[in-house]
Amino acid sequence: GAVVSQHPSRVICKSGTSVKIECRSLDFQATTMFWYRQFPKKSLMLMATSNEGSKATYEQGVEKDKFLINHASLTLSTLTVTSAHPEDSSFYICSAQLNEKLFFGSGTQLSVL
Amino acid sequence: DAKTTQPNSMESNEEEPVHLPCNHSTISGTDYIHWYRQLPSQGPEYVIHGLTSNVNNRMASLAIAEDRKSSTLILHRATLRDAAVYYCILRDVYTGGFKTIFGAGTRLFVKA
Repeated sequence: GAVVSQHPSRVICKSGTSVKIECRSLDFQATTMFWYRQFPKKSLMLMATSNEGSKATYEQGVEKDKFLINHASLTLSTLTVTSAHPEDSSFYICSAQLNEKLFFGSGTQLSVL
Repeated sequence: DAKTTQPNSMESNEEEPVHLPCNHSTISGTDYIHWYRQLPSQGPEYVIHGLTSNVNNRMASLAIAEDRKSSTLILHRATLRDAAVYYCILRDVYTGGFKTIFGAGTRLFVKA
């Protein structure tokens, strides 16, 4: 089946620093990728839709300048959490679409101290 | 995307079948019914999807009501590894690249 690789799986950073999370579709091309955020025991919350070669579409309430998304190629989308603060600590998950199905990365646990 | 409604949690005994229900009364004619599951500390994984007819694969079966306003995911023999949160979502056939919204899902507990 299709594989989506997400790195890093876990990151701890100091408040004020920026963190980049990569999402790669390993064996297929993904025109569209999605970024989600998930708090403990809660469902996935869609943050933005990333389209190759164009600007991402952010959901209401998600700060564009805070969560920078780049989808420069058909196999790579990145999410950069800029000037991270403790309230940004969360589990971030990416997904890519192939035909009708969604394939997900394994997630990134971000902890901001 | 149309919304779905699922029970918050369900419990099953190991080796027994599990029927996970999902209501989607506002489904449109072009919506696929998808099921994904999420194991602890992992990203969701695809389970099964269908449009109108019942579907079977190696993981599960999907039974779709004739009016398509509800569906049931069937795990034929639950194992401890099936303990996860199961999400029922709808995705449009034509705008499949459109955003996908997840509901609360059903947390399945499997007892040995």
